[in-house]
Amino acid sequence: AQSVAQPEDQVNVAEGNPLTVKCTYSVSGNPYLFWYVQYPNRGLQFLLKYITGDNLVKGSYGFEAEFNKSQTSFHLKKPSALVSDSALYFCAVRGSNDYKLSFGAGTTVTVRA
Amino acid sequence: GAVVSQHPSWVICKSGTSVKIECRSLDFQATTMFWYRQFPKKSLMLMATSNEGSKATYEQGVEKDKFLINHASLTLSTLTVTSAHPEDSSFYICSARVLDSLQTVPMHEQYFGPGTRLTVT
Repeated sequence: AQSVAQPEDQVNVAEGNPLTVKCTYSVSGNPYLFWYVQYPNRGLQFLLKYITGDNLVKGSYGFEAEFNKSQTSFHLKKPSALVSDSALYFCAVRGSNDYKLSFGAGTTVTVRA
Repeated sequence: GAVVSQHPSWVICKSGTSVKIECRSLDFQATTMFWYRQFPKKSLMLMATSNEGSKATYEQGVEKDKFLINHASLTLSTLTVTSAHPEDSSFYICSARVLDSLQTVPMHEQYFGPGTRLTVT
């Protein structure tokens, strides 16, 4: 079975400060990891993914994530948060031999001006 | 990038009636589409996997007779909520799996539709 944990329901940061959204996973075999963002009453938008290669993955809107195999983590980061980054963020995982994604519970990010 | 649309974006229906939600891939062909259900401030729950030309595969606990899924073409999948009840009120999201030109590697994994808000009164 595969699963994702996002330990924080909410993350609050001031604009211009670094933003980190945590994610740990459990999966059989090599993990395929993803981050999505969701704005109110909208579908999910793809931010970035890790399949193989460099542990630091760069994605859309200045976001990046670091894959850490020993800690089974894939934390999302942004060096300088914007108010417009306020949204619901989901981490997702699947195994290399599966096509179904398992999502974390989501983390609501609020960036205050 | 690939665009997935859903129609309607929101719908209100009376208890006991049926409602159909459409999911379309606008600029690509999707052999596989997924239907999710999302409760307020909750994660996405996969309901079923829809493959073009074949019966949908439902996740455990999802009533296939209540949530009818049809994937009649490579660009359209529909979800029909039959005999809807207030507990079926939710946000329903579809997604499509896109393969590259060699039909091997999925790109961006899944593209998601904007969702449909269903309210059953």
